[in-house]
Amino acid sequence: DQQVKQNSPSLSVQEGRISILNCDYTNSMFDYFLWYKKYPAEGPTFLISISSIKDKNEDGRFTVFLNKSAKHLSLHIVPSQPGDSAVYFCALTSGTYKYIFGTGTRLKVLA
Amino acid sequence: EADIYQTPRYLVIGTGKKITLECSQTMGHDKMYWYQQDPGMELHLIHYSYGVNSTEKGDLSSESTVSRIRTEHFPLTLESARPSHTSQYLCASSGTQLTNEKLFFGSGTQLSVL
Repeated sequence: DQQVKQNSPSLSVQEGRISILNCDYTNSMFDYFLWYKKYPAEGPTFLISISSIKDKNEDGRFTVFLNKSAKHLSLHIVPSQPGDSAVYFCALTSGTYKYIFGTGTRLKVLA
Repeated sequence: EADIYQTPRYLVIGTGKKITLECSQTMGHDKMYWYQQDPGMELHLIHYSYGVNSTEKGDLSSESTVSRIRTEHFPLTLESARPSHTSQYLCASSGTQLTNEKLFFGSGTQLSVL
């Protein structure tokens, strides 16, 4: 029973265009929603997060949107750059030790 | 930004050997975690710690053990490695306040057991 789903295992986007990565969840108990970026054989790097009391958070080229009624989280990257090519994970937590991760979406930004 | 270190980065070892994966953080974080990840899969929590002398098993059953004698150090030990232990092991830490939800990860240890 997977609580968090990233339904697109991969995504290709042209350099300069917008990348949209999605994450759906089933449980309303989560208070914080995070996005991580991971290169092969490296640990995940924190990108951006949002709390459940907000619906949008921006940090430079990265914007995270939260739609609590739809239980949907998305990450927008604009403009996309070749260095953004990596695997992106969403992670959800209620603020305790427990984090639930998605399976990841592999983003490829084409030059 | 992250000051959390894992060694070794890569380890190839024979079945039956005892191994210890090292993890240290210099951020003063109380909470530390060990995750296991296979390619294309989500991260699974195998151990966590709220502080010194506090360790708990995570959601994924694991034959490994951990210790937390010092705040900054959270090593993971496999007494007898098996091929089924082949995976990437990720150490992480987080801050003490409830609102500090960010997990900081080390670079990981890629373990291969032959």
